[in-house]
Amino acid sequence: DGGITQSPKYLFRKEGQNVTLSCEQNLNHDAMYWYRQDPGQGLRLIYYSQIVNDFQKGDIAEGYSVSREKKESFPLTVTSAQKNPTAFYLCASSDGSTMNTEAFFGQGTRLTVV
Amino acid sequence: RKEVEQDPGPFNVPEGATVAFNCTYSNSASQSFFWYRQDCRKEPKLLMSVYSSGNEDGRFTAQLNRASQYISLLIRDSKLSDSATYLCVVKSFNKFYFGSGTKLNVKP
Repeated sequence: DGGITQSPKYLFRKEGQNVTLSCEQNLNHDAMYWYRQDPGQGLRLIYYSQIVNDFQKGDIAEGYSVSREKKESFPLTVTSAQKNPTAFYLCASSDGSTMNTEAFFGQGTRLTVV
Repeated sequence: RKEVEQDPGPFNVPEGATVAFNCTYSNSASQSFFWYRQDCRKEPKLLMSVYSSGNEDGRFTAQLNRASQYISLLIRDSKLSDSATYLCVVKSFNKFYFGSGTKLNVKP
């Protein structure tokens, strides 16, 4: 079955550590996105990528980094510079060649700083 | 100003009720519009796309007014299983902008 896989589902990080969240898709989509969701709030865009080897900052990129070396993969690193990283992280992909296509989401990673 | 604004609710309605959600967006160049449903602690899932002519999918009807930059979702004959948060989503130049969601509680 085609879809987006995020791992791990739950992640605990000590303060000062970097952690990397995995996102893999087999939908052959060009566009991929990372969002952050805090309790009771909407999704905020961290980074997005329209094509391999290219990515752009979203609205809240500070303290995060990404790479897009393969079409299928768009990992997100939460660095120690991110002051409040505890949140629900959602990865999405979309067929960037067609205007009206929706975003498909992975099941999310819940990150907690301990 | 937020790109997409929604009434956060919650909307508490009895089973069988009709409920309407509204949403406004700020970018007049926005190209595509969607309603997503998000259950507690889960990922958002597409409920329906929204077209300028309006569209219906069973008990759900979506409307778009480009002139007013306004999107609506109507749910008829509410079921207990409709309880969730409904997210209004606008796509502009391949970026998706999400409203903060409207929470719906359907009561027996």
